Amino acid sequence: SAVISQKPSRDICQRGTSLTIQCQVDSQVTMMFWYRQQPGQSLTLIATANQGSEATYESGFVIDKFPISRPNLTFSTLTVSNMSPEDSSIYLCSVSVGTGSSAQYFGPGTRLTVT
Amino acid sequence: AQSVTQPDIHITVSEGASLELRCNYSYGATPYLFWYVQSPGQGLQLLLKYFSGDTLVQGIKGFEAEFKRSQSSFNLRKPSVHWSDAAEYFCAVGAMGQAGTALIFGKGTTLSVSS
Repeated sequence: SAVISQKPSRDICQRGTSLTIQCQVDSQVTMMFWYRQQPGQSLTLIATANQGSEATYESGFVIDKFPISRPNLTFSTLTVSNMSPEDSSIYLCSVSVGTGSSAQYFGPGTRLTVT
Repeated sequence: AQSVTQPDIHITVSEGASLELRCNYSYGATPYLFWYVQSPGQGLQLLLKYFSGDTLVQGIKGFEAEFKRSQSSFNLRKPSVHWSDAAEYFCAVGAMGQAGTALIFGKGTTLSVSS
């Protein structure tokens, strides 16, 4: 398994501003993922972040809105840009651990409220 | 299209009673299957996973799940529920043999435990 931490754990932001969420893993991992969980909903994948290459975004998510950095094998950031109340969600990062396995371990999440 | 269905949105079980949460999946290849639990205000914790072999898998906290290929199901069970099991439960499917493939989640089942 992997131990994953996220900062901040929660934040309240004004519309039009941006927030950068950090994800730190206690071991080197190839693949990191960013998910969004809107209130009362399941998890939706935003993007996959590979070290040394551009993130791959899912349909409905764009780099201008959710820029991602992956500077090394233990760290990634997700920025939520030009926020609106619809961006109020829990944002979770996860990592895939193990060769030939798609088991994923999740960070504690960042609870974002946009007013 | 790949999908995961959790037919029960909300289940209430008496403390000490048995529990079964249903999960059905639609996946073109042989899937990896997972159950996660999310307690209020917490991130996702992996309960158990099925990759291959014995179709009855044991997880943490006394949970088990059975993979039934003929029914495309992966139901979660616990013989005796504790009040601390009250949480949101998510079933997920991933691509077998492909590390770093994002997971597809069901919409979740909320478990309430009555005394």
